[in-house]
Amino acid sequence: DAGVIQSPRHEVTEMGQEVTLRCKPISGHNSLFWYRQTMMRGLELLIYFNNNVPIDDSGMPEDRFSAKMPNASFSTLKIQPSEPRDSAVYFCASRRRGSGNTIYFGEGSWLTVV
Amino acid sequence: DQQVKQNSPSLSVQEGRISILNCDYTNSMFDYFLWYKKYPAEGPTFLISISSIKDKNEDGRFTVFLNKSAKHLSLHIVPSQPGDSAVYFCAASAVSGGGADGLTFGKGTHLIIQP
Repeated sequence: DAGVIQSPRHEVTEMGQEVTLRCKPISGHNSLFWYRQTMMRGLELLIYFNNNVPIDDSGMPEDRFSAKMPNASFSTLKIQPSEPRDSAVYFCASRRRGSGNTIYFGEGSWLTVV
Repeated sequence: DQQVKQNSPSLSVQEGRISILNCDYTNSMFDYFLWYKKYPAEGPTFLISISSIKDKNEDGRFTVFLNKSAKHLSLHIVPSQPGDSAVYFCAASAVSGGGADGLTFGKGTHLIIQP
């Protein structure tokens, strides 16, 4: 079975540029999560969706960050404009409702903003 | 303010011995707890979980203990093996309210198994 698929795996971009991270959740999963991992703050929940609807975006750090889920099999996390402090690993995860509260992670998108 | 705390950034254990990883939480609404394991350059993978109605859950070499009164849980790995070397994240959520929120993670403990 295919797991959560994220792209790109690695991205290096210049400050001020727009960054778009993509995620395909596990088929049949109806919740999707975006997390950010940094050394200082560990794994932080940025936003999550249930049935394509954003439920809690209180973790989104600033207005520069936005996330969309146009359908059940695709989500994007966009940073515009990007800043060096956005450098982190961004994980997408998904969950099937009724399977407890276990979420399954992708391999992450490593973002470096220079 | 961290709601899930893993106070040991790293832990070194000899192969074959028991590894004990600890986690504390502050939110009394949390009622479901999980441990994830993460290798470098990979995403976290689910290891074991426990509901607040239990105080112990065992799966092979892995056992999670929950002490609700102390708001503390621990993960025991016995015997420890070299492949267990990884970062272990404790996570918690409030499920019984009917919602399905995201997990709140600790900062992780880097477990090193020494031969």
